[in-house]
Amino acid sequence: GQQLNQSPQSMFIQEGEDVSMNCTSSSIFNTWLWYKQDPGEGPVLLIALYKAGELTSNGRLTAQFGITRKDSFLNISASIPSDVGIYFCAGQLGEYGNKLVFGAGTILRVKS
Amino acid sequence: DAGITQSPRHKVTETGTPVTLRCHQTENHRYMYWYRQDPGHGLRLIHYSYGVKDTDKGEVSDGYSVSRSKTEDFLLTLESATSSQTSVYFCAISEPGELFFGEGSRLTVL
Repeated sequence: GQQLNQSPQSMFIQEGEDVSMNCTSSSIFNTWLWYKQDPGEGPVLLIALYKAGELTSNGRLTAQFGITRKDSFLNISASIPSDVGIYFCAGQLGEYGNKLVFGAGTILRVKS
Repeated sequence: DAGITQSPRHKVTETGTPVTLRCHQTENHRYMYWYRQDPGHGLRLIHYSYGVKDTDKGEVSDGYSVSRSKTEDFLLTLESATSSQTSVYFCAISEPGELFFGEGSRLTVL
């Protein structure tokens, strides 16, 4: 099946640092979605992007839909301990989730 | 809160037994999905439904069946559970351009 390359696979953060992660694909998508998953819970939708070049913020989170429609990135500014978790990107080909492709996730951990 | 309830949240069963997981939504969304999440494989679509009695297969549908007799309920059935079906199962609902997940059902097949 189609693949999304999400990087980095994992990273350590120190409180106050900015964090960046991205997803790339060989396919063009109509929508990019970014999710966060905490242990024992389902993924929670953070940001949805619908147009190439679109830049959208949700509090300290900013995500962009790449101009080529083959990539997207997520930035977290001034990270806090509750930012730890797994972040997933997802590219959507059609209108609905039956055409959704997920990245493998970026694990955010706190640097001790 | 996306208005999705999964049950049971945890289940341990033995190989060869039938298992049914239930997803209930209060949002009246047309589309509902079942995913499984496994280390190294991420989230993979099992089956989805685009309306009452309208369902279709996803990427990993072998060994699973689904039914949707009401808009609000989507059932996932393992007719004869195998150890390879040990996983966390997520129900999801969607409107165009967005997908919302339930809290998951952890299934262990011994």
